Amino acid sequence: NAGVMQNPRHLVRRRGQEARLRCSPMKGHSHVYWYRQLPEEGLKFMVYLQKENIIDESGMPKERFSAEFPKEGPSILRIQQVVRGDSAAYFCASSLLQGADNQPQHFGDGTRLSIL
Amino acid sequence: DQQVKQNSPSLSVQEGRISILNCDYTNSMFDYFLWYKKYPAEGPTFLISISSIKDKNEDGRFTVFLNKSAKHLSLHIVPSQPGDSAVYFCAASGGAQKLVFGQGTRLTINP
Repeated sequence: NAGVMQNPRHLVRRRGQEARLRCSPMKGHSHVYWYRQLPEEGLKFMVYLQKENIIDESGMPKERFSAEFPKEGPSILRIQQVVRGDSAAYFCASSLLQGADNQPQHFGDGTRLSIL
Repeated sequence: DQQVKQNSPSLSVQEGRISILNCDYTNSMFDYFLWYKKYPAEGPTFLISISSIKDKNEDGRFTVFLNKSAKHLSLHIVPSQPGDSAVYFCAASGGAQKLVFGQGTRLTINP
């Protein structure tokens, strides 16, 4: 399966705990994006990363949320001290290196985070 | 501030007929538009895209039309098939790479 891989598919946390969501992009893709979808809504952009760099984090909440895409390994979205409002589906997408032409983003199947 | 709007939450079409999904945007800086299809418990699947330098792009049963003056795009599916039943999202970007999504339209194809 050469698609975007996200794990875990489902994650349950109690209020105050930490949540770590992982994303491995498609082979050959060097751009990673994280989106969040609340029930009955569209996806909302959170952060855009390239290897070892955060390019755009304009959609990230200012506190408790962080993201990284290290030189080796998957991209990680980390949520500290989770609250009930963090319950959502979190999707990762990847795309090829951007050149003169736009490239579509391809999505993983998401991590469904539930906060008890 | 909803920059991309899909005003029809749902659409029902008979199998074999044409499905037309609509999307409006407000940001004139958007220059790349995409349609995604989403099944429950899965991620969005890329369908088709169009650059702002074009007004039409076709791929098999799917055609996307872009009207820049009206800030409107549409997705035509013909003929519609039962497997097309899903939620369809339009999305737009303006060079900043991040996508801005509409709220989605649930398409149901009736046999």
